[in-house]
Amino acid sequence: DGGITQSPKYLFRKEGQNVTLSCEQNLNHDAMYWYRQDPGQGLRLIYYSQIVNDFQKGDIAEGYSVSREKKESFPLTVTSAQKNPTAFYLCATSRDMYNEQFFGPGTRLTVL
Amino acid sequence: QKEVEQNSGPLSVPEGAIASLNCTYSDRVSQSFFWYRQYSGKSPELIMSIYSNGDKEDGRFTAQLNKASQYVSLLIRDSQPSDSATYLCAVYPSGGSYIPTFGRGTSLIVHP
Repeated sequence: DGGITQSPKYLFRKEGQNVTLSCEQNLNHDAMYWYRQDPGQGLRLIYYSQIVNDFQKGDIAEGYSVSREKKESFPLTVTSAQKNPTAFYLCATSRDMYNEQFFGPGTRLTVL
Repeated sequence: QKEVEQNSGPLSVPEGAIASLNCTYSDRVSQSFFWYRQYSGKSPELIMSIYSNGDKEDGRFTAQLNKASQYVSLLIRDSQPSDSATYLCAVYPSGGSYIPTFGRGTSLIVHP
């Protein structure tokens, strides 16, 4: 079954904790992205990766970190430095940077 | 700063009517345009793409692009209650950065 998976679907974090959100794809897409969506807001780009072992900061990278050690995987860590992390996190992939993006089902993160 | 503007709505139409969703963009040399549908609590789903001036039809959906006026529209014919969702416009620039700019979306409500 081809697609993009994100886990967990819901995540609760205590203040001061780091948490890692998983994004896996078997579409053989080169590019992967992380977005954050807040109620009534558009999608804001956190990080993106064009190829394995390379990634770039997006518009709101502060308080987040990523890695891209495998083509299939692009995990996002939300660190304690992120002041307001409660949001809906979306992972997307595209064949390359020139083509349309496809989104995973998302992870809803809540800080307690 | 590249901008993509959408009326947040809600746009309310009766079942069976044509729903017209509009999107304007600031980057005159933008090349690729996409429409996504996002149901409440779910991730965006790609429904249409358009690259050249004119109309592109896919089932009940028609995308219209006018690069001279810098707008792209999505028409939904024979609207159904299941079309009720937020519709996001995404605009890809030409050259340089290949990161799309997303609009904040228009909420569509189709009432029986």
